[in-house]
Amino acid sequence: AQKVTQAQTEISVVEKEDVTLDCVYETRDTTYYLFWYKQPPSGELVFLIRRNSFDEQNEISGRYSWNFQKSTSSFNFTITASQVVDSAVYFCALSIRDTGRRALTFGSGTRLQVQP
Amino acid sequence: ETGVTQTPRHLVMGMTNKKSLKCEQHLGHNAMYWYKQSAKKPLELMFVYNFKEQTENNSVPSRFSPECPNSSHLFLHLHTLQPEDSALYLCASSQGLAGTSTDTQYFGPGTRLTVL
Repeated sequence: AQKVTQAQTEISVVEKEDVTLDCVYETRDTTYYLFWYKQPPSGELVFLIRRNSFDEQNEISGRYSWNFQKSTSSFNFTITASQVVDSAVYFCALSIRDTGRRALTFGSGTRLQVQP
Repeated sequence: ETGVTQTPRHLVMGMTNKKSLKCEQHLGHNAMYWYKQSAKKPLELMFVYNFKEQTENNSVPSRFSPECPNSSHLFLHLHTLQPEDSALYLCASSQGLAGTSTDTQYFGPGTRLTVL
């Protein structure tokens, strides 16, 4: 079975602070994929990133960066110099090559509030 | 981005009503999904369709009846709902199912359903 844990339920920061959202996953598969999605107040989940289990290189996209560490089964997401527009719920998700499971497994989400 | 559209965006219905939610994807994907997102709860997968065939029903009550006439359209027919069914219903699509190289899901804006 697979599981995604986002232990931080809510985080509040002041604009321009850096913030890291944690994601820990569990799977017995050696081939799997990890995702981050952003859900702004409008409701739509916006795809941010997908990484496969064989690529442990960190990735940076503008103010966003992701740290994938297989040794600790973590795929953490950092926002540098946070802005009010970053306020949203962020979901980490996992997919594996398991024929019994057809869709992504989502964590419970972390609500990020960025105060001006 | 109008890759996945959902109508209506808001719906209020009584417990004896019958209504339908519609989802359309313009991404040429083969798989479509219904999720339920209640307040303070994680995303719950309801149904998965691949090439119009239902591949997963996550123990959803029969008062929710999905229909997938083609790979671009997905409906959720609602009847005799309960107040606890009030939630945000999200539709998503992907090229392939979980664990494939094309399993990134793209979401619609959701339908916010209120059952009185």
